[in-house]
Amino acid sequence: GENVEQHPSTLSVQEGDSAVIKCTYSDSASNYFPWYKQELGKRPQLIIDIRSNVGEKKDQRIAVTLNKTAKHFSLHITETQPEDSAVYFCASYTGGGNKLTFGTGTQLKVEL
Amino acid sequence: KAGVTQTPRYLIKTRGQQVTLSCSPISGHRSVSWYQQTPGQGLQFLFEYFSETQRNKGNFPGRFSGRQFSNSRSEMNVSTLELGDSALYLCASAPDGSFGYTFGSGTRLTVV
Repeated sequence: GENVEQHPSTLSVQEGDSAVIKCTYSDSASNYFPWYKQELGKRPQLIIDIRSNVGEKKDQRIAVTLNKTAKHFSLHITETQPEDSAVYFCASYTGGGNKLTFGTGTQLKVEL
Repeated sequence: KAGVTQTPRYLIKTRGQQVTLSCSPISGHRSVSWYQQTPGQGLQFLFEYFSETQRNKGNFPGRFSGRQFSNSRSEMNVSTLELGDSALYLCASAPDGSFGYTFGSGTRLTVV
């Protein structure tokens, strides 16, 4: 089955810096890659996603890039703010019903 | 528009007991998925239901089961609880033809 690896597990940046989280997937048939943000004690929330026919997608300070050949995708957050502090999960979808395979999460801490 | 509602929010059970968790999806969503979230394992897929049929099942023992009703509400049941079943159980719903999960706030299960 699909396997998603996520790095780093923890990331600490200074406010205003950029943060990058990387994920790799194993199944070349995967065609949808969402990112979720989970604040402490809250539910995971979808922040951005990308389909396999697109190489990059941006939404204000957040962007996701996809390299299908290398089977990896990344989340980029620019001009980080304290409210960006949370756990971020990447995921991939391969097909056959609504099943997402999640990475193990990255704890992002934005320091003042 | 109401979100995904999970009940109860917290549960404490004793080893060997059984438990039933409930999930009401967003109105109109027929796909309901269940995930187990633990600090060490991240989000692990349990199963997905669509129109009362289980479409996907994760790699969990048979003690974990679920069902979906005609109004799309779903329940999951865990029998013969073990200490390792302590986790946050998240339910997510998605509209037809979309992978865009909306998660509920989860049920925090503690097995003592």
